[in-house]
Amino acid sequence: AQSVTQLDSHVSVSEGTPVLLRCNYSSSYSPSLFWYVQHPNKGLQLLLKYTSAATLVKGINGFEAEFKKSETSFHLTKPSAHMSDAAEYFCVVSDRGSSASKIIFGSGTRLSIRP
Amino acid sequence: DSGVTQTPKHLITATGQRVTLRCSPRSGDLSVYWYQQSLDQGLQFLIQYYNGEERAKGNILERFSAQQFPDLHSELNLSSLELGDSALYFCASSVEVSRDTQYFGPGTRLTVL
Repeated sequence: AQSVTQLDSHVSVSEGTPVLLRCNYSSSYSPSLFWYVQHPNKGLQLLLKYTSAATLVKGINGFEAEFKKSETSFHLTKPSAHMSDAAEYFCVVSDRGSSASKIIFGSGTRLSIRP
Repeated sequence: DSGVTQTPKHLITATGQRVTLRCSPRSGDLSVYWYQQSLDQGLQFLIQYYNGEERAKGNILERFSAQQFPDLHSELNLSSLELGDSALYFCASSVEVSRDTQYFGPGTRLTVL
């Protein structure tokens, strides 16, 4: 069965410092993994996705994530946080190969940026 | 702007009523997804349609139903509304199946009084 766990409900960092948002998943098949961002009162926007190509995935706004099969992780990182990064971030797993596609969203991590 | 449109933006109704939410996907996208986002349940996948046919079902209640029309727009029907149905309802679209990037609409905020 699929599942996705975002290990931190809230992360707070200072502007200019690195960001790490953690995501672990479980999947019976070959998963696709996504990170989406949601700014207040807005819809979700795709940051990046992994679909069995390169394990290090680069996304928009300087974010990247590394797919580690041995650790079943897909953590999101950014070298230097910006005030505009303050938002809710969702890790998503989607299975291929099952008869009915399943899409599971993590519970979200709220990222706060301190000046 | 993702190219996905949702109407209405806000909807206020009473318990027991029925409402219809509408979604127009991005031009060229065949797949439409519906999600519910609430404070206690988080973001939940409800249902997916692909080119007019139901493709996948998530945590959708029996009181809820959806359809996708020949012009590819979709409607989500919520009936016998309860207070707990108050939430943001998002529609997303993609070219094909669930491994594709999904583009989200701005959402419809439903308030049930």
